[in-house]
Amino acid sequence: EADIYQTPRYLVIGTGKKITLECSQTMGHDKMYWYQQDPGMELHLIHYSYGVNSTEKGDLSSESTVSRIRTEHFPLTLESARPSHTSQYLCASSENLGSSYTFGSGTRLTVV
Amino acid sequence: AQTVTQSQPEMSVQEAETVTLSCTYDTSENNYYLFWYKQPPSRQMILVIRQEAYKQQNATENRFSVNFQKAAKSFSLKISDSQLGDTAMYFCAFTTNRGSQGNLIFGKGTKLSVKP
Repeated sequence: EADIYQTPRYLVIGTGKKITLECSQTMGHDKMYWYQQDPGMELHLIHYSYGVNSTEKGDLSSESTVSRIRTEHFPLTLESARPSHTSQYLCASSENLGSSYTFGSGTRLTVV
Repeated sequence: AQTVTQSQPEMSVQEAETVTLSCTYDTSENNYYLFWYKQPPSRQMILVIRQEAYKQQNATENRFSVNFQKAAKSFSLKISDSQLGDTAMYFCAFTTNRGSQGNLIFGKGTKLSVKP
């Protein structure tokens, strides 16, 4: 039973559209993360948050933005989608630094 | 810089056999945590096993065990009695508990295929 939920599971959209990928968790975790997973399956951290109103960019530069208005919710937005944004996006949360991550099922995004 | 290296992009094993996946890491920290995650095809990433660096005893979870060699900075995963459901990408990951360095750093993964 998943405690972290991502929607949609799959999304195909046209170039230039604005999209928001949703991520919610019910565990009360302060720390949340967004990873981009490339076709070779390598994981790249693109955003993270250590609490409400706290967001930081990750190791991989991304044109996406995030917000953290509520503890349980960490949406990712692309203002103008491009084919280069085609990828799988994984959301995760953790209780403390050093704790294991709980991952969502991912959103597979295709921009045509 | 802290890094995690998985030198085996792909591996295969016969059902019921044992397989070992390799992982090495580099850090100057003394206190840290190591993980193995499993990502089955088109399914959710799940935790397989967690090891705390200050614990000398190797972690074990049912058929999954690790060989943690702190001096060699090695953290291999052994899967005993392999099952078809073990077919997945396996990621080794590392973290400290210090600020942004507390974010998980992943290796590039090993694709494991269990053959009947």
